[in-house]
Amino acid sequence: EPEVTQTPSHQVTQMGQEVILRCVPISNHLYFYWYRQILGQKVEFLVSFYNNEISEKSEIFDDQFSVERPDGSNFTLKIRSTKLEDSAMYFCASSSGLRYQETQYFGPGTRLLVL
Amino acid sequence: GNSVTQMEGPVTLSEEAFLTINCTYTATGYPSLFWYVQYPGEGLQLLLKATKADDKGSNKGFEATYRKETTSFHLEKGSVQVSDSAVYFCALSDFNTGNQFYFGTGTSLTVIP
Repeated sequence: EPEVTQTPSHQVTQMGQEVILRCVPISNHLYFYWYRQILGQKVEFLVSFYNNEISEKSEIFDDQFSVERPDGSNFTLKIRSTKLEDSAMYFCASSSGLRYQETQYFGPGTRLLVL
Repeated sequence: GNSVTQMEGPVTLSEEAFLTINCTYTATGYPSLFWYVQYPGEGLQLLLKATKADDKGSNKGFEATYRKETTSFHLEKGSVQVSDSAVYFCALSDFNTGNQFYFGTGTSLTVIP
């Protein structure tokens, strides 16, 4: 069964450093998402992406964050200058459609620790 | 706004026990409701979903009924197995707020033999 993959599974970085989290969505999906979960808190929506553009973003997704689909298979989340509060599990997801009933398929997550 | 509230964990049950994980929601529109499960080291997997009131989603012995009158979508299983040990997430998406999902905090379930 097709699945969303994410790399790396764990990343440790120093405050102020840039990190890039990578995702390979399901191959025939057109809509891509990033979510994050700070330890003990809810999974929160960050951004959705379609047709090489951001379609929605949350208040969390400020200028420190960017997303890109650099080629036909990868979808990346970049944090330009990491802060301690960026420490979280980051989930990538994809879906084939955009209707609100559509299932989103999630990857296993990247655990980011900012020191 | 939209939000999901799940019962606090962790939950520990003996094998073959009955499971209920409570989920209630607040939505501005008419949401679709989902249960996702995360096994250790894996991604969030869709367990079941319901897109309109009184719909029952079911999969792998798990069930949840979309109750509009009580704004609930409680997850149940009649007889849990050790292999059901995982974290369970309740989520909603809402016609009025596009395609972002709103999640609960997740409930960790451990089933002991």
